[in-house]
Amino acid sequence: DGGITQSPKYLFRKEGQNVTLSCEQNLNHDAMYWYRQDPGQGLRLIYYSQIVNDFQKGDIAEGYSVSREKKESFPLTVTSAQKNPTAFYLCASSQRYAAVQETQYFGPGTRLLVL
Amino acid sequence: AQTVTQSQPEMSVQEAETVTLSCTYDTSESDYYLFWYKQPPSRQMILVIRQEAYKQQNATENRFSVNFQKAAKSFSLKISDSQLGDAAMYFCAYSVYNQGGKLIFGQGTELSVKP
Repeated sequence: DGGITQSPKYLFRKEGQNVTLSCEQNLNHDAMYWYRQDPGQGLRLIYYSQIVNDFQKGDIAEGYSVSREKKESFPLTVTSAQKNPTAFYLCASSQRYAAVQETQYFGPGTRLLVL
Repeated sequence: AQTVTQSQPEMSVQEAETVTLSCTYDTSESDYYLFWYKQPPSRQMILVIRQEAYKQQNATENRFSVNFQKAAKSFSLKISDSQLGDAAMYFCAYSVYNQGGKLIFGQGTELSVKP
């Protein structure tokens, strides 16, 4: 089955702790994205990557970091600098072809809570 | 600023009836793509329908269709023959190809379906 997996489903963070959210896709997509969703709101882009070993900041990148060492993996680290990390985090991926905007497909999400 | 506005936080429809969800957006770009995503209680984001801005013909996908008014920057979603399984949060979003494919989301409309 092709798709996007995110783990863990729930994650608890202590004060001052860095935590890493996993995102893996086996769709052979080039582009991957991380979004944050707060209650009652739409999604906001944190980081995105269009190719291995390259990534760009989105609209709310402060307090987050990413890496893209493999095409199928795009982990997100929530650092201690992120003062309000409690949210639902969604990973997405899409194929990219010249002059065509491909649809983004989403993983099931990770719920991050602060202890 | 690039924004998406969904003016109806909540909507309700009787099973088998038709409902229309509103969406307006603001962009200075001429080449972009519009999407409606559905987020059921599982919180998985599911693509409902997409529309290329350069196409005048409105997209349809089974019971789902859009009314795309480019000059008015309006992109409404019509759900015909509503089913209980259509109950979810619906998000309107758009993306601009030369901006890494990032999606700009509205705040969502929660649709309930009454039996």
